[in-house]
Amino acid sequence: DTGVSQDPRHKITKRGQNVTFRCDPISEHNRLYWYRQTLGQGPEFLTYFQNEAQLEKSRLLSDRFSAERPKGSFSTLEIQRTEQGDSAMYLCASSLRDSPTDTQYFGPGTRLTVL
Amino acid sequence: DAKTTQPPSMDCAEGRAANLPCNHSTISGNEYVYWYRQIHSQGPQYIIHGLKNNETNEMASLIITEDRKSSTLILPHATLRDTAVYYCIVRPLSGSARQLTFGSGTQLTVLP
Repeated sequence: DTGVSQDPRHKITKRGQNVTFRCDPISEHNRLYWYRQTLGQGPEFLTYFQNEAQLEKSRLLSDRFSAERPKGSFSTLEIQRTEQGDSAMYLCASSLRDSPTDTQYFGPGTRLTVL
Repeated sequence: DAKTTQPPSMDCAEGRAANLPCNHSTISGNEYVYWYRQIHSQGPQYIIHGLKNNETNEMASLIITEDRKSSTLILPHATLRDTAVYYCIVRPLSGSARQLTFGSGTQLTVLP
């Protein structure tokens, strides 16, 4: 049983650069979520997909952030013109819509450091 | 905003039961109680969930009070590897709110 995977696990970038993260959900999971976690805080919701449709976006998801799930399988999260405040752990989770309780399972996260 | 209240930290001796409380006094009838934990620098790990009945799985037991306003997560024999931040979350089974809303959680430290 393969869990949620994320790539890369760590990313260091300079302010102003663009970065892209990838998430591969659990096979057959049709819902996919992105969260962001800063040091000492719990994860905060960013956006959610059901299949390829992006159904919900948090106000935390500024115009510099874009997420896609083109074929309803893996997803990418891109941050343009990174800022130091974007430094955080970016977490992906997936769930199965038709399961009784739609439990979300998380990946290991991508830790972004913006210098 | 999180709809749960948890103590910020707790200690537990290795081998003893760890009892982690959670207050969710404004819980609605269609909301489940979920517990996740997060070991340092890892993604959150699902532990258990329940609606109104007590639940048990291979990781833990969940005791929900009859009025559903609070619950307790029980790790029956805590080990050093159970040291983590434990999050109690309430979430509706259906509707538009699909995301999990995390609070600050409880830092459980299992002591040797």
